[in-house]
Amino acid sequence: NAGVTQTPKFQVLKTGQSMTLQCAQDMNHEYMSWYRQDPGMGLRLIHYSVGAGITDQGEVPNGYNVSRSTTEDFPLRLLSAAPSQTSVYFCASSYSNRAPDTQYFGPGTRLTVL
Amino acid sequence: AQSVTQLGSHVSVSEGALVLLRCNYSSSVPPYLFWYVQYPNQGLQLLLKYTSAATLVKGINGFEAEFKKSETSFHLTKPSAHMSDAAEYFCAVTLGYGGSQGNLIFGKGTKLSVKP
Repeated sequence: NAGVTQTPKFQVLKTGQSMTLQCAQDMNHEYMSWYRQDPGMGLRLIHYSVGAGITDQGEVPNGYNVSRSTTEDFPLRLLSAAPSQTSVYFCASSYSNRAPDTQYFGPGTRLTVL
Repeated sequence: AQSVTQLGSHVSVSEGALVLLRCNYSSSVPPYLFWYVQYPNQGLQLLLKYTSAATLVKGINGFEAEFKKSETSFHLTKPSAHMSDAAEYFCAVTLGYGGSQGNLIFGKGTKLSVKP
């Protein structure tokens, strides 16, 4: 199993550009989520999905879109990048969020918006 | 709503000394609690989790944590620090009910430094 994979590892954008951060898992997990990590802020939930076709907002969803057309993939779209979106982004997955299931994290994408 | 507070954004210990990282939670019902570790430039890895089966939880790399309901705490300890323990540690809480009640809420993290 590859686990949770994320691409790209690094990305530099200009303000106003759009891009998609890719996330995939090969563990047949129902639950997938996106977090951003900023110094001194811990991890904050952006969006999550409890299954294919079902997504919902987390704590900091503004400026981001998600979709879940398959169980495996959960891409995060930045519609119009802003410097405030400079961060490290982590995707995670687990069997469900109805029990204390372990969330498995990807290696992260470091995004800089100029 | 549940929340987590980690006391101390930076903790420094000498190699061989006790490691104590503090985590207090706030929840109206008994939650599930987790400790994750993040090594530099990597993702998060589960150290251990409390699922109500036992109040003293043993994890990987010699770490353990004790759930104390009366103190609403879940502090992480290791008897003897090793240089390889230098990392950032995150405490997290969830109710595990599904939907928004099943999401993990993370503390702000504690960076552990180990001096030779």
